[in-house]
Formats: sequence, C-alpha cells, structure tokens
Amino acid sequence: ETGVTQTPRHLVMGMTNKKSLKCEQHLGHNAMYWYKQSAKKPLELMFVYNFKEQTENNSVPSRFSPECPNSSHLFLHLHTLQPEDSALYLCASSQDSATNEKLFFGSGTQLSVL
Amino acid sequence: EDQVTQSPEALRLQEGESSSLNCSYTVSGLRGLFWYRQDPGKGPEFLFTLYSAGEEKEKERLKATLTKKESFLHITAPKPEDSATYLCAVQGGATNKLIFGTGTLLAVQP
Repeated sequence: ETGVTQTPRHLVMGMTNKKSLKCEQHLGHNAMYWYKQSAKKPLELMFVYNFKEQTENNSVPSRFSPECPNSSHLFLHLHTLQPEDSALYLCASSQDSATNEKLFFGSGTQLSVL
Repeated sequence: EDQVTQSPEALRLQEGESSSLNCSYTVSGLRGLFWYRQDPGKGPEFLFTLYSAGEEKEKERLKATLTKKESFLHITAPKPEDSATYLCAVQGGATNKLIFGTGTLLAVQP
C-alpha cells in the first residue's frame, strides 16, 4: 500500500462506547497529524506528532486521546464522546512538522456519535 | 488575528467556462500558501505551494497566483472532473500554524 491509510472509513458509536481510529503512512515521513473536519468549518488541527513526540495539542478535550507508537502509525482513542463530536477525522503526514511542507492526507473516518 | 477567507462559497460553471477562486489572508510573516483539492469522501490532495508575492504555479487547467493579501486559483476551460472542493491554507505568524479556509465547492456541468 502507498500513501496514508485510515481505518475504519465509517464509525457509528454511542456516547458510552470506547473506540479507536487507526492511521498508517507508507511515505517514510516523520510527522503525523489528526484533523477534524466539520461541515461549513475549516479543518481544525487536533494533534501533531514529530518523530513520535507530541508537539501540539490544540486544546482538545480529554475524551480524545492520541497515541503514536512509531513514525508510521497513529491512533486516536475515543471515549464518552458527545454528538457534537460527529465529523470527518482526517490523518495526515509530512516529512517534518517543523518545516513548511505539504501534507498528505488519508481518506478519513466519518464518525457519527448517537 | 491570522485568518483565511475563501470566496465564493460555491461556484457552478459550464464546461469550458473559465473562472477564478479567491483566497484572502491576513497573517504576519507568510511562510507558505497552500492549495488543496478535496473530492467527496476523500481527504484533501495537495495542488500547489506559493511562498512569495508574484509567484505563480500551473498544473494542467489550474494556475495559482499570489499577492501580499490574496491568492487566486484560476481554472481555464474546466471539465466535469474538476468538480471538487478547493481548500486554501496559509502558514506563518508567530506560531507558524497552518490555517485553513472553509473552501470553495466547484461544480462543472457538461
């Protein structure tokens, strides 16, 4: 596989469930990102990892918990979400988050919280 | 405050009808302006990076230009396959964060 792969593509969960989103990049990049995309709103940066270290947490509620075990894999653990958390969650990667480089995005996970 | 505004919000063109999308920005110390294309059900796909006023880049029917206040994405003789949402993002300011606009939804009818 090439590029950035996200699973699952779609997820429906109740407010009391615990689930995880997975992202894998096959580009040899060192930086990985989680973005939230809601209708009519700009992409919203959630977390940044550079060389496996978290470099940014954009005031994200604790019900979202990221994990980056290595430079190729990124997870977003979800628990006790709210209906307003329903959105498209996008993973992205780049060579290095400290430089101004283009991002490579996955196709996203469409999350619905009931 | 650093800001990106895209217009129009939506644009409908006939095949072959050229037009332009606008991205206005306010950021102190621009380090890069990015254009992405996003198809339904997919993540954004990189198109161009522009770094300084006066710079232009082209790819097939698309041409991106940059001034000190805005960028234009010119679409020449568009085809239905050019239909997508086009996103603009700027990087710079004190935090060097990447700030996205809300996008322009382009529909090209045959």
